[in-house]
Amino acid sequence: GENVEQHPSTLSVQEGDSAVIKCTYSDSASNYFPWYKQELGKGPQLIIDIRSNVGEKKDQRIAVTLNKTAKHFSLHITETQPEDSAVYFCAASRRGSQGNLIFGKGTKLSVKP
Amino acid sequence: EPEVTQTPSHQVTQMGQEVILRCVPISNHLYFYWYRQILGQKVEFLVSFYNNEISEKSEIFDDQFSVERPDGSNFTLKIRSTKLEDSAMYFCASSDGGGREYSNQPQHFGDGTRLSIL
Repeated sequence: GENVEQHPSTLSVQEGDSAVIKCTYSDSASNYFPWYKQELGKGPQLIIDIRSNVGEKKDQRIAVTLNKTAKHFSLHITETQPEDSAVYFCAASRRGSQGNLIFGKGTKLSVKP
Repeated sequence: EPEVTQTPSHQVTQMGQEVILRCVPISNHLYFYWYRQILGQKVEFLVSFYNNEISEKSEIFDDQFSVERPDGSNFTLKIRSTKLEDSAMYFCASSDGGGREYSNQPQHFGDGTRLSIL
């Protein structure tokens, strides 16, 4: 079955710097890759997603890149702000599955003011 | 913005007791999911539900678990005889289908129910 690896497990940056979180997946049939932000005591909140027919997607300060050949995808946050501090999860869903999301273990991002 | 709501936020139950976790998905969504997150671990898929039947389930979702959509708005997860290892955060999610391949439709999560088994 699908396996999603996520790195790093913790990331600390200064406010205004960029943050990059990387994920790899094992199932070449995966075709949908969402990223979620989870704040303390809250559920995962979808922040951006990418489908396998595109290589990059951007939404303001957040961007995601996908390399299908290498089976990895990354989240890029530019101009980080203290409110970006949270746990970020990547996930993958396989074509033909019933929406089963396989999650990475999460990255705890701390943005220091 | 429409959201998925879950009740209760925290449930404490004695081992061996039955528990029902409740969810109200986003109103026009057609696909419903349960996930769980044991403290400090990754979010794990339990089950997906569409058209009043289970679409897919994981190995975690054994005979002790069941799901139901008792009316047009609620979606429930029942654990018949709880075990200590069932202690976790349980998240409900829903997504829109619209006839497209729903393996790649955005899933929106509730804030979860923390289940504590004593």
